[in-house]
Amino acid sequence: LAKTTQPISMDSYEGQEVNITCSHNNIATNDYITWYQQFPSQGPRFIIQGYKTKVTNEVASLFIPADRKSSTLSLPRVSLSDTAVYYCLVGGNRDDKIIFGKGTRLHILP
Amino acid sequence: DTAVSQTPKYLVTQMGNDKSIKCEQNLGHDTMYWYKQDSKKFLKIMFSYNNKELIINETVPNRFSPKSPDKAHLNLHINSLELGDSAVYFCASSQFTRGAGVQYFGAGTRLSVL
Repeated sequence: LAKTTQPISMDSYEGQEVNITCSHNNIATNDYITWYQQFPSQGPRFIIQGYKTKVTNEVASLFIPADRKSSTLSLPRVSLSDTAVYYCLVGGNRDDKIIFGKGTRLHILP
Repeated sequence: DTAVSQTPKYLVTQMGNDKSIKCEQNLGHDTMYWYKQDSKKFLKIMFSYNNKELIINETVPNRFSPKSPDKAHLNLHINSLELGDSAVYFCASSQFTRGAGVQYFGAGTRLSVL
């Protein structure tokens, strides 16, 4: 069972780069790491997924060290609209539970 | 077109009533889910269906019964509603099962039991 640990909340300012780290010490070989973003009164939205090293898309980057026991979501040049809750989810195609964890509440200040 | 759509968006009802929430996805995915998000914002999976077959059934009271008429639809029926059932319920779908499948969520149904 791949449990995740994230900071409960973070504050940052517009234009800054924000890094949110997720710990997943008991990640399994087949597990992927997926990040979701949730705005108030909306469903979670997929941001990025990775297995190892670095993944980048138009929204974010995901850094995964060699031991895969943690991962860092990097949001470049955040804006006020990036204020949301960010969830790290670890899982694979096994008979395991899907656990979203408590997420990180990111608050962007002007 | 909305990829995952839920109806209704809001549902206000009395204790003891029976209600249903409908979910449809037009993504061609094989797997659909129901989640409950409580007032503390914890997102907990309730059920997962793969191609109309129940895959995940977490510890949920048997007053909750999912029904999947086809792989594009997963409805949630709740009997004898209780105050503690008040929450936001999200439907989601993914191409693959389990945690590696990227999930697409609906906008949620806010259920208030009075």
